[in-house]
Amino acid sequence: ETGVTQTPRHLVMGMTNKKSLKCEQHLGHNAMYWYKQSAKKPLELMFVYSLEERVENNSVPSRFSPECPNSSHLFLHLHTLQPEDSALYLCASSPASSGRALNEQFFGPGTRLTVL
Amino acid sequence: KQEVTQIPAALSVPEGENLVLNCSFTDSAIYNLQWFRQDPGKGLTSLLLIQSSQREQTSGRLNASLDKSSGRSTLYIAASQPGDSATYLCAARSSGTYKYIFGTGTRLKVLA
Repeated sequence: ETGVTQTPRHLVMGMTNKKSLKCEQHLGHNAMYWYKQSAKKPLELMFVYSLEERVENNSVPSRFSPECPNSSHLFLHLHTLQPEDSALYLCASSPASSGRALNEQFFGPGTRLTVL
Repeated sequence: KQEVTQIPAALSVPEGENLVLNCSFTDSAIYNLQWFRQDPGKGLTSLLLIQSSQREQTSGRLNASLDKSSGRSTLYIAASQPGDSATYLCAARSSGTYKYIFGTGTRLKVLA
């Protein structure tokens, strides 16, 4: 256990559905990340929040909408996804100081998303 | 733009062998570099993090080195065991950004 939990672990959704992925960290960190991992491609950084402020939006389509209500929770809201969005979505957290993420990232187990 | 490459893509070794995994990056102005392992269908487990001011880090049988001038990091695994079988990923964070750029990984299999 890394101290980062993600729910659900598996999700199947249709292209017209709306769903949300949840991430929670119990490490006292204040930087949180969303990554997408597709087969045979490197992990792609999607969003970074530091001290609850979004500091990185890596050209992600608007059908993915992040939310960080506090430093322990991060959500990824999904709407009208495409089959090519099927992937493993990983959340991570790290310590941050003065708005900068300094140290190691700790990852959750991921949510395996399938879009039909 | 930072690019990270890992060679080889896959590696099989007999148990007990010492081995080296390679990670190359194009932008030498990195803030830090982190090594992870990932078991099939699972999240990533942090192994070692090297700050830009450091040359190496050690944890148990693992040793990671960093050479910014050549754009290379290596992960040395001593006395490999079947439990070391996993995919090993490196990620480089460039100075002045929050972005970690990952390599595609080396899939390691240690044979008993």
